[in-house]
Amino acid sequence: KQEVTQIPAALSVPEGENLVLNCSFTDSAIYNLQWFRQDPGKGLTSLLLIQSSQREQTSGRLNASLDKSSGRSTLYIAASQPGDSATYLCAVKQNSGNTPLVFGKGTRLSVIA
Amino acid sequence: NAGVTQTPKFRILKIGQSMTLQCTQDMNHNYMYWYRQDPGMGLKLIYYSVGAGITDKGEVPNGYNVSRSTTEDFPLRLELAAPSQTSVYFCASSYVGGYGYTFGSGTRLTVV
Repeated sequence: KQEVTQIPAALSVPEGENLVLNCSFTDSAIYNLQWFRQDPGKGLTSLLLIQSSQREQTSGRLNASLDKSSGRSTLYIAASQPGDSATYLCAVKQNSGNTPLVFGKGTRLSVIA
Repeated sequence: NAGVTQTPKFRILKIGQSMTLQCTQDMNHNYMYWYRQDPGMGLKLIYYSVGAGITDKGEVPNGYNVSRSTTEDFPLRLELAAPSQTSVYFCASSYVGGYGYTFGSGTRLTVV
């Protein structure tokens, strides 16, 4: 059974700092990995999707990397801003069929002005 | 675009009561999902559907039922509410499995 772990559970940084969020998964035979953002009281918003054949994806100040063989992904946020404060969730899809995503518990990020 | 619409946003139920959480999407997505999120926990899949008339159990289906009579609607039914079902429920949809998820804003349910 696939398990997804995110470390740390919570993180507080000063504005402007670069930071890394970590995600690990137990079964490396994944189809894709996604990073989501969740604001308090809101649903999830998709940030980045990395296919199993890719090493990284970038969107603006966000860069996600994938090392499938070691079962790890990182989300790098450059020049953090208070508006980046949210919970970031990592999710993996096991295969190309109907299997839905398996989510980690998330990392709650606070960026202090 | 409305996306995925969930109703109600909040609800308090007494133990043993029943209710239906509504979910509607207007993107013509084939795949729809129900997740629950407990405090400090990730999302756990309750049920999902790959198209009208087809549903399947997820990780935590006990105490819930679903139906998918149309592409747009995927209601979640709680028959005998229990305190363990206190949670935030999210509905989501995607065009194909595993890509382009769109989430609703959630239903916060408390069972007392």
